[in-house]
Amino acid sequence: DAGITQSPRHKVTETGTPVTLRCHQTENHRYMYWYRQDPGHGLRLIHYSYGVKDTDKGEVSDGYSVSRSKTEDFLLTLESATSSQTSVYFCAISESDGSKTDTQYFGPGTRLTVL
Amino acid sequence: AQKVTQAQTEISVVEKEDVTLDCVYETRDTTYYLFWYKQPPSGELVFLIRRNSFDEQNEISGRYSWNFQKSTSSFNFTITASQVVDSAVYFCALMDSNYQLIWGAGTKLIIKP
Repeated sequence: DAGITQSPRHKVTETGTPVTLRCHQTENHRYMYWYRQDPGHGLRLIHYSYGVKDTDKGEVSDGYSVSRSKTEDFLLTLESATSSQTSVYFCAISESDGSKTDTQYFGPGTRLTVL
Repeated sequence: AQKVTQAQTEISVVEKEDVTLDCVYETRDTTYYLFWYKQPPSGELVFLIRRNSFDEQNEISGRYSWNFQKSTSSFNFTITASQVVDSAVYFCALMDSNYQLIWGAGTKLIIKP
């Protein structure tokens, strides 16, 4: 199994508060991704990173920002959480040869509830 | 537009039956990649298979098999002699020319003992 952890695993917060989710990998993989999963949908890409300080937007990036200051950590921040951001958030990493077409392996997920 | 359709929202079978999960995709790309992932009730996402568009050979892994047909833009997944532990949501996904995964909505598979 790929060494990916996410923290926290569960969080309940209030509308308007900032929230930061952390993804940590021990595999030294170049690519890291943040997705959200909502009922009745597959996963939707929020942001991804292709190296330290190199990030790009995905399909549903509005309301989210990311940072990657170290290879092993990829942070997702909700600057001002809204109820529509209640979801399960997954982090993923790509295999070590750095190809964008590599298989993505996923962390255990973070369940976020915004009241 | 890139799209993945899993028309079966939920399938329920009795243990030991064979079951096929359908996946139909749309893409204009000539090179693309297809994936299947499993999400058991515990919630994690487990990678099952990756297939590139140039390899149309069917694949078998134990009780699992995959049938890739470019002519019908389908990448179907069959479980032979299903077991209760196969109960999960199964996702098909397409990697597009922007290297982003486009996901189907998933098929919930229920295996009854």
